[in-house]
Formats: sequence, C-alpha cells, structure tokens
Amino acid sequence: ETGVTQSPTHLIKTRGQQVTLRCSSQSGHNTVSWYQQALGQGPQFIFQYYREEENGRGNFPPRFSGLQFPNYSSELNVNALELDDSALYLCASSSTGTSQTQYFGPGTRLLVL
Amino acid sequence: SQKIEQNSEALNIQEGKTATLTCNYTNYSPAYLQWYRQDPGRGPVFLLLIRENEKEKRKERLKVTFDTTLKQSLFHITASQPADSATYLCALDIVRKLIFGQGTELSVKP
Repeated sequence: ETGVTQSPTHLIKTRGQQVTLRCSSQSGHNTVSWYQQALGQGPQFIFQYYREEENGRGNFPPRFSGLQFPNYSSELNVNALELDDSALYLCASSSTGTSQTQYFGPGTRLLVL
Repeated sequence: SQKIEQNSEALNIQEGKTATLTCNYTNYSPAYLQWYRQDPGRGPVFLLLIRENEKEKRKERLKVTFDTTLKQSLFHITASQPADSATYLCALDIVRKLIFGQGTELSVKP
C-alpha cells in the first residue's frame, strides 16, 4: 500500500509569485484535505476535496485554490504569494467524504522571500 | 470565540513515567476527537480517535479520555520511552475538517 506523497519537498518563491503543490493520495482514498502549518503551530485546515469537488473550506482567501483529479490526486495553488504564506503545507487523504482518520504526507516546505 | 488549547509548555519527563497531555476546547461540539503524533519536519501520524459517546479509549500504552461536559480530552502515555519524544496534536473533528490545537512537545529522558 502506497502512502501519501507530496511534491516538491521544499520550495523557495518570491512575494507576488504563484505556486502549485502536488499530492498523491493513499491507495483507496477518495478524499484529500490540505493544511497549512506555521512554525510552532498546529495545522490549519485550508480545504477538502471529495470526488473532484470542494467539500469544505477553512478561513483562507480565494487566492488559495485547489483541484482534485479523477485518480484522486490533488493540487494546491496559491496566487500572489505573501511572506506569511511561508509554512509547511500538508496534504492528508481519507477514505470517506467526511473527515475521520486522516493520513498525512510529509509536507512541502514553502519559503516566500 | 472558538478555541482549542493544549499545554503550551513542553513536557519533560523521566523514562518509565506516565505522560499526561491536556486538550481543552470552547464553543465546539465535536462528534470525534483525534490525537496525532508529529516528529520534526514530518507530517502528523494518527494515533487514536474517540467518539463523543465514549469516555475512554486505549491502544497499547496509550489512553485517551473525552469529557464533553468539561470540554476536555486527556492523553496518557504509560511506561514512556525516549522514542515517545515528539509533538502531540489533538484535533476536533468538525464536519469535514479537523481543527488542531497548537501541539504539546513531549521529551522523555533516559
């Protein structure tokens, strides 16, 4: 069984740029959630995708957007990057449309300069 | 306002002792509460889930309690080992999303 994978592992961008982060869900999982984790804080929910539709969103501006593909993999896009977007971005997959046990990937560390 | 709080200070204990971590929340009514472990630079790893109608759940050396009246969960690690050193996160399961506390860093000294 393949776990959740994310790419890239690290990324450096400058303010105002755009970034795309990728996530492959665990085999058999149809739901993907994205979280932002600032240093020393717990993960904050960005949004969730279930069967290619957004299925819940946290308190993040519209410049955070996402996609889920037919194979349940997912992308997180962030436009007009700000310094405060520097964080660890975590993807988690689960097997139902409602959040239960979530299986996290290793994360993508984004640094915005 | 809605809040979820864990012990803000790091917890340092001696090997073999029981570690107890606290998670308090306000203005939420979660159906489930989950505990995760996170090692530096890695994603959280699921440990235990407890439902609102359950008082206690155990898994090997781990025990979780859930008091919906006090709005509190306690997480215990018995016979702690240096390998248990990590940050522990509690998360409320609120319809389609997990709301995490800030985590408590546990250090177990040999």
